[in-house]
Amino acid sequence: QVQLVESGGGVVQPGRSLRLSCAASGFTFSTFAMHWVRQAPGKGLEWVALISYDGSKTYYADSVKGRFTISRDNSKNTLYLQMNSLRPEDTAVYYCARDLWPGGSGRSGFGSWGQGTLVTVSS
Amino acid sequence: EIVLTQSPGTLSLSPGERVTLSCRASQSVSSSFLAWYLQKPGQPPRLLIYGASSRATGIPDRVSGSGSGTDFTLTLSRLEPEDFGVYYCQHYGSSPFTFGPGTKVDMK
Repeated sequence: QVQLVESGGGVVQPGRSLRLSCAASGFTFSTFAMHWVRQAPGKGLEWVALISYDGSKTYYADSVKGRFTISRDNSKNTLYLQMNSLRPEDTAVYYCARDLWPGGSGRSGFGSWGQGTLVTVSS
Repeated sequence: EIVLTQSPGTLSLSPGERVTLSCRASQSVSSSFLAWYLQKPGQPPRLLIYGASSRATGIPDRVSGSGSGTDFTLTLSRLEPEDFGVYYCQHYGSSPFTFGPGTKVDMK
């Protein structure tokens, strides 16, 4: 079955960088658009970034544009989120999520989610 | 950017009751690109409804979605114990893919 496993979270000082990974299995990774979604402690969900199935298109929330980069390696079935210039307000559980249907770029809802990885930005 | 508003903020209900949740968009949601998710404590969200009214795989028919344009509704005809948690609506189809603030449904 579909599995998404995030890793790379931890405690980091403000201004530093961190790279998250999401290992995918159980489906043809190269045919699905992928997203990062975050959730600050006790708060709601915030969409962060989208990458198309082939990596040719990327989109970002205004709150992370210019600081975060989403990428993917279809040969390794892995999604990434490079986070630079981290701020305390970036503290959250980061989920990777897969589009419900293959192809397209975020036009079918988020059908599968990982368990998330916690990023804490604090001095 | 489409801003989503959900009401009510919190509901306290008993199993067996009927519940209707509302999601209102600041502008028309094209092609009904509106989804509903349920999140339980310590778990990721789970997709319930996409395309405003289509049930995701494994979602029982007591869960239904309706609406178009700017007004959408999620209805649970009879609450089961597994239905308690926070419900989020989401606009997708074009960036940014915004979520509503959520409606918490807890047990009375």
